[in-house]
Amino acid sequence: DQQVKQNSPSLSVQEGRISILNCDYTNSMFDYFLWYKKYPAEGPTFLISISSIKDKNEDGRFTVFLNKSAKHLSLHIVPSQPGDSAVYFCAAISEQGAQKLVFGQGTRLTINP
Amino acid sequence: DVKVTQSSRYLVKRTGEKVFLECVQDMDHENMFWYRQDPGLGLRLIYFSYDVKMKEKGDIPEGYSVSREKKERFSLILESASTNQTSMYLCASGSGDYGYTFGSGTRLTVV
Repeated sequence: DQQVKQNSPSLSVQEGRISILNCDYTNSMFDYFLWYKKYPAEGPTFLISISSIKDKNEDGRFTVFLNKSAKHLSLHIVPSQPGDSAVYFCAAISEQGAQKLVFGQGTRLTINP
Repeated sequence: DVKVTQSSRYLVKRTGEKVFLECVQDMDHENMFWYRQDPGLGLRLIYFSYDVKMKEKGDIPEGYSVSREKKERFSLILESASTNQTSMYLCASGSGDYGYTFGSGTRLTVV
């Protein structure tokens, strides 16, 4: 039972353009969402997060949008840079009960020069 | 910066061996986690711990156990390694404010 889903295993974007990574969730108890970035042979690193009381959070080139009614969130990267090429994981957590992160399957983003 | 250190980057073990994966964090975090990462499956939670000597099963605990004798150290144990446990293992720690930090991972191959 995949509670957090990233349906696109891979995405290829031209340098300078916008990258949009999508994530869907099924558990309405989730109240905090995070994006992690992972390079090969390294652990995931925290990128950006959003609380369920907000619909947008911005940090430099990265913006996360949350649509609670659709149980959907997206990560926008603009402009995309070659160093953004990595696997991106969406994650969710519920304050009630166990504070454990539930991850999606990941999307491999490739930025082409 | 929070540091989470996993003792080995790469391990090769034989089927049936007992395997210990060690994780140490330096920020006095209560929460520690073990995940495994497999292509197409993302990160799946094996076990987690809220405090010393406390442990909770995650989504895929079968074939694994854990030990947390000290707050800074969380060990994952494969009682009898099998080839389907070949994977990337990731340890994380956090203080409950969602700032979970991951180690660099251990790539385990069971032959």
